[in-house]
Amino acid sequence: AQTVTQSQPEMSVQEAETVTLSCTYDTSENNYYLFWYKQPPSRQMILVIRQEAYKQQNATENRFSVNFQKAAKSFSLKISDSQLGDTAMYFCALAYNNNDMRFGAGTRLTVKP
Amino acid sequence: DTEVTQTPKHLVMGMTNKKSLKCEQHMGHRAMYWYKQKAKKPPELMFVYSYEKLSINESVPSRFSPECPNSSLLNLHLHALQPEDSALYLCASSQETGIYTIYFGEGSWLTVV
Repeated sequence: AQTVTQSQPEMSVQEAETVTLSCTYDTSENNYYLFWYKQPPSRQMILVIRQEAYKQQNATENRFSVNFQKAAKSFSLKISDSQLGDTAMYFCALAYNNNDMRFGAGTRLTVKP
Repeated sequence: DTEVTQTPKHLVMGMTNKKSLKCEQHMGHRAMYWYKQKAKKPPELMFVYSYEKLSINESVPSRFSPECPNSSLLNLHLHALQPEDSALYLCASSQETGIYTIYFGEGSWLTVV
């Protein structure tokens, strides 16, 4: 069975600071992808970043980067230079095929001015 | 701007009504999905279409009836819904149903009265 755990229901960060959101997962598959999706109050789920499990190098997208620890089954998201527009619910997700994507419970991030 | 377009954005319907949610994508994707998301919860997969054929039905009640008229369109027909069916319904698409990034629409917020 695949499970995704986000242990931080809510977090806050000051504008321009750095914040890290945690995610752990469990799977018996060897070939899988991990994702972070952002859902702002507008409700659209927006892809933030994705990581292929077979790649050792951590994915980076502008201010967003991940710390992927495959052995520990950990996939944290670091947001640098936080902006007010980063305020959203963040979901960690695991998929070994798109028919079975599992989401974590989400972390609500608030960026304070 | 989303490339997965959903209409309507908001829908209020009575328990005896028949209504439909519509979804359109122009990315040439061959897999399309319906997800249901309750407040403060992660999305839950309902249906998967692959090459216009229903490939996954996650034991969804028959009062929800999906339809894929062509590779760009996905409908969700609603009939005799219950108040507990009130939720955000997200349409999504991906290149295929392997491990490909899933792109979401903005969602249709459904209220059943």
